[in-house]
Amino acid sequence: AQSVTQLGSHVSVSEGALVLLRCNYSSSVPPYLFWYVQYPNQGLQLLLKYTTGATLVKGINGFEAEFKKSETSFHLTKPSAHMSDAAEYFCAVSEAGNNRKLIWGLGTSLAVNP
Amino acid sequence: DAGVIQSPRHEVTEMGQEVTLRCKPISGHNSLFWYRQTMMRGLELLIYFNNNVPIDDSGMPEDRFSAKMPNASFSTLKIQPSEPRDSAVYFCASSLQGRGSPQHFGDGTRLSIL
Repeated sequence: AQSVTQLGSHVSVSEGALVLLRCNYSSSVPPYLFWYVQYPNQGLQLLLKYTTGATLVKGINGFEAEFKKSETSFHLTKPSAHMSDAAEYFCAVSEAGNNRKLIWGLGTSLAVNP
Repeated sequence: DAGVIQSPRHEVTEMGQEVTLRCKPISGHNSLFWYRQTMMRGLELLIYFNNNVPIDDSGMPEDRFSAKMPNASFSTLKIQPSEPRDSAVYFCASSLQGRGSPQHFGDGTRLSIL
């Protein structure tokens, strides 16, 4: 069965610093992986996804993530944090087969300090 | 393009009352998901539909919860009778067919049961 673990429920960085949000998964089949962001009082929106092909995936707002099969990881990074990046970030893996269901991590709250 | 539309955005009602949450998915999407989000339990999948048919309702808390999708452009989530512990933000999301298709979320309904 698939599962997702996000290390660190709260991460705090200074404006301009590197953002690193960690996600590890388990999957019995080649995984399809997603990162979503949730701003206050809004729904989740897709940042980026990995299905097949290039393992370094670029998303919106300068974020990127790298799929590392050997480490079963899909960590999210951004070289320089901006105040507007403060939000909740969720990692998810798609279930195997034709199922459209996503298995979600518990989320990481990112705070950006001036 | 219109996104997923949920109504109402906020609902405050007394314990024991019936609550109906509504969702209009993105046109052309054939999968629809209902989620509940709380501080204690995070994001929980309640039920999802493919082509208007309920596929997995294992996340529905109990018989007080029911969901319908009478056509491709409308779904409801009903709670009857409501209880204070049902207070949460309820999200609807839709997606295209395919394991790699991302889910698109509405802005949610913030439900408070007094």
